[in-house]
This record gives sequence, C-alpha cells and structure tokens, in this order.
Amino acid sequence: SQQGEEDPQALSIQEGENATMNCSYKTSINNLQWYRQNSGRGLVHLILIRSNEREKHSGRLRVTLDTSKKSSSLLITASRAADTASYFCATDASWAASKLTFGTGTRLQVTL
Amino acid sequence: DGGITQSPKYLFRKEGQNVTLSCEQNLNHDAMYWYRQDPGQGLRLIYYSQIVNDFQKGDIAEGYSVSREKKESFPLTVTSAQKNPTAFYLCASSPAFSGSADTQYFGPGTRLTVL
Repeated sequence: SQQGEEDPQALSIQEGENATMNCSYKTSINNLQWYRQNSGRGLVHLILIRSNEREKHSGRLRVTLDTSKKSSSLLITASRAADTASYFCATDASWAASKLTFGTGTRLQVTL
Repeated sequence: DGGITQSPKYLFRKEGQNVTLSCEQNLNHDAMYWYRQDPGQGLRLIYYSQIVNDFQKGDIAEGYSVSREKKESFPLTVTSAQKNPTAFYLCASSPAFSGSADTQYFGPGTRLTVL
C-alpha cells in the first residue's frame, strides 16, 4: 500500500489564490519530499523537509511537517496558471532509508 | 528532466514480447531507480540500484528485470510474464546513498502500450 496519501485528490482554484495540499503517512520517516509532475512528464523535486524540522520555505512554497500526526502540508501562495500540475509527497521510511515511497498525488488546476 | 534521458518516449509491444526501456544519466549519480505510474496514480517502485553491479527488487518487481553494468545506465526489461505492462515508466537517479533518501532526479518517461 502507499506510504503517503494526499488530500484532496483534486483542487481547482483561481490565479492569485493559495493552494494547500496535505499528505499523511504511516511509519516513522527520515525525511519527506514534495515533487511536481506536469502532465505526461517526469517529476521535479520541489522541497525536502527532515524529520527534525517543522517548517521550510522555498520561494512561494511553504512546507510543514508534524511527525506526531504523521502529516505534512504544502502551501503554494499566489498561485499561477503555470502551477497547474500534480503534486506528490514522498517519504523515506527510517527502516528502508534508501527508498522513497510516493503518495497518490493531488491534481491542482489553476484557472485565470 | 535534468541529465537523465529515457528512450523511446512511446513504445508499442505485442503481447508475449519482451521489451527493454533505456535509461541513461550523466549526473555521476550512484543510485538509480525504476518506477511505474498508472493513470491517476502515484509511483510504484519496480527496481533500484545503489551501486554498479548491484540492484534490489522494489514493491512490484514481478515480470521485470534490470541490469547495472555501467554507472550511467540502468535498462529495464518488461518481460512477457508481466500481466499488465501498459503504463508510464519513469527512471530516476540520486547521488551516493548517505543513510537517508536523497532528492531524486527524473527522466521524461516512456509510455508503454501493449497491443
């Protein structure tokens, strides 16, 4: 089964609004990563947050991690049409540190 | 898509045939990975390799085989034993294994269709 589960499965917002996606996982982790995938393309790494970190920023991205709840959120501020893509969380389980396990993804649609 | 190339972009196969998907990287990364993605789904790990001449099964290795004879190359063979091979296949690489998973760099993918 998937280690990470994203919520919501799909999200539609207007340009300029903020988009929030959530990820829940099941086992202890070393780190959690967020990736973006444009339709029919490979994944692109966005941000990595380690298990001893609670929040991290990168440009318009803000990631939080709550290890007690086994959850993370990705916030994209001031969204743009170019942000339209699928977003995946990936976890590195502490007992299998060489592998990432990906969630099912959130499909984000940003309209003009 | 970084320094990882996958070929071909589209591949059509008849049932019963084996096909090999190519993955090459020029990032000098030690680790390489193969994932399968089905429509509307996340990625599932097929095989991974942390070093040349060594590889491990992922979560869905049945019906697939790999080799890692060179650091820059990690070809995936989809055999006739794979019951439902139609999918989008993604190759990735990451720097030397350091005790926790590094950022992975993905190729553009190969879409395999079984006719």
